[in-house]
Amino acid sequence: DVKVTQSSRYLVKRTGEKVFLECVQDMDHENMFWYRQDPGLGLRLIYFSYDVKMKEKGDIPEGYSVSREKKERFSLILESASTNQTSMYLCASSLSYSNQPQHFGDGTRLSIL
Amino acid sequence: AQRVTQPEKLLSVFKGAPVELKCNYSYSGSPELFWYVQYSRQRLQLLLRHISRESIKGFTADLNKGETSFHLKKPFAQEEDSAMYYCALRPSNFGNEKLTFGTGTRLTIIP
Repeated sequence: DVKVTQSSRYLVKRTGEKVFLECVQDMDHENMFWYRQDPGLGLRLIYFSYDVKMKEKGDIPEGYSVSREKKERFSLILESASTNQTSMYLCASSLSYSNQPQHFGDGTRLSIL
Repeated sequence: AQRVTQPEKLLSVFKGAPVELKCNYSYSGSPELFWYVQYSRQRLQLLLRHISRESIKGFTADLNKGETSFHLKKPFAQEEDSAMYYCALRPSNFGNEKLTFGTGTRLTIIP
């Protein structure tokens, strides 16, 4: 069974801090994704990656960056956290070219004070 | 650009009654459509996809290209169906793995 693990379930940070959210998958998936989930807005794609060191902007990349140094790990970075980045963050992974679905982690609920 | 619309944010249905969660999309090509579900305190997971033409937990969804819809249906609601449901679209062009999600419908089954 695919396992997508996010390092923290809950995280509280202060405005202006640099924040790292980590995600690890154990199924050798090529694709990894970061979403934020907000009530009434659904899931919105922040960044995704097709391969190691590859990244592409999603729909709402402003204020975020990502890092993928190893295939199994995809990090989301908030360069200078702001209160409007308080949200639930979901990581997902999938195989390429296989009509396979995305598999999601449990999510990290991030609060920026 | 593609778009997915779920017109109902909240839907309440009595146990045993039929359920229909609406999903409409806009996309110029032939999309792949999915329904994802998130039960309370659980991770988001795939419920079903149109390409498989399957029934999962009694739910079915038919892709209607003429009406650009992919509504989720179940003839008899059960209490354990209470959850958040998201419709999602993936473009058909080769190698594009991005999903576009709707805003979700919270389904509550009334005992």
